[in-house]
Amino acid sequence: DIQMTQSPSTLSASVGDRVTITCRASQSISGWLAWYQQTPGKAPKLLIYKASSLESGVPSRFGGSGSGTEFTLTISSLQPDDFATYYCQQYNSFPLTFGGGTKVEIK
Amino acid sequence: QVQLVQSGAEVKKPGASVKVSCKTSGYTFTDYYMNWVRQAPGQGLEWVGWINPNSGGPNYAQKFQGRVTMTRDTSISTAYMEVSRLRSDDTAVYYCARGSLYSSSIVNYWGQGTLVTVSS
Repeated sequence: DIQMTQSPSTLSASVGDRVTITCRASQSISGWLAWYQQTPGKAPKLLIYKASSLESGVPSRFGGSGSGTEFTLTISSLQPDDFATYYCQQYNSFPLTFGGGTKVEIK
Repeated sequence: QVQLVQSGAEVKKPGASVKVSCKTSGYTFTDYYMNWVRQAPGQGLEWVGWINPNSGGPNYAQKFQGRVTMTRDTSISTAYMEVSRLRSDDTAVYYCARGSLYSSSIVNYWGQGTLVTVSS
């Protein structure tokens, strides 16, 4: 199975901050990576697919980059709605696997 | 609009089975794979498997092989997941999660989740 490792596990930031979350794969997954946002008690929401493609309706302050084994999710200017937990997911091979999550907290 | 509505919370004893349903509307059921993803309390996301709603063919994560069965009823646009020989570490919220246009393996529509609690 491909292991997905996110860092940091928790991040404290303020509204307006630029935030970067890293996701590393245990082997190359080319660009087959998605990012999701989850708030407490809710289902995850797709933000990014194919490493850098923005899902329809997702604000442009969210951006993804990377290929191979290293990927990043960047929020250019953190907004109040963005305090949530973020997960990466590889879909290069089965079983599909997720990172452990990064919780973005209010500083 | 696309909707996935899951069955209600369940409490089961260890060794029992549970069957969760996911009724869909707002799209052609047979056009999109249905994934099942679970989340233990306070933990991350774990892919259980998917079903091809056209053929009924499933693809289970190795970890769940032999204990999970995914089926569907195309006449009522509903997917099902049954987990047998439940253990306490199967306690989780189980989501049905529709594959997207980009890939069946990424999800852009989710059910509301079904909490399955396994406790003696």
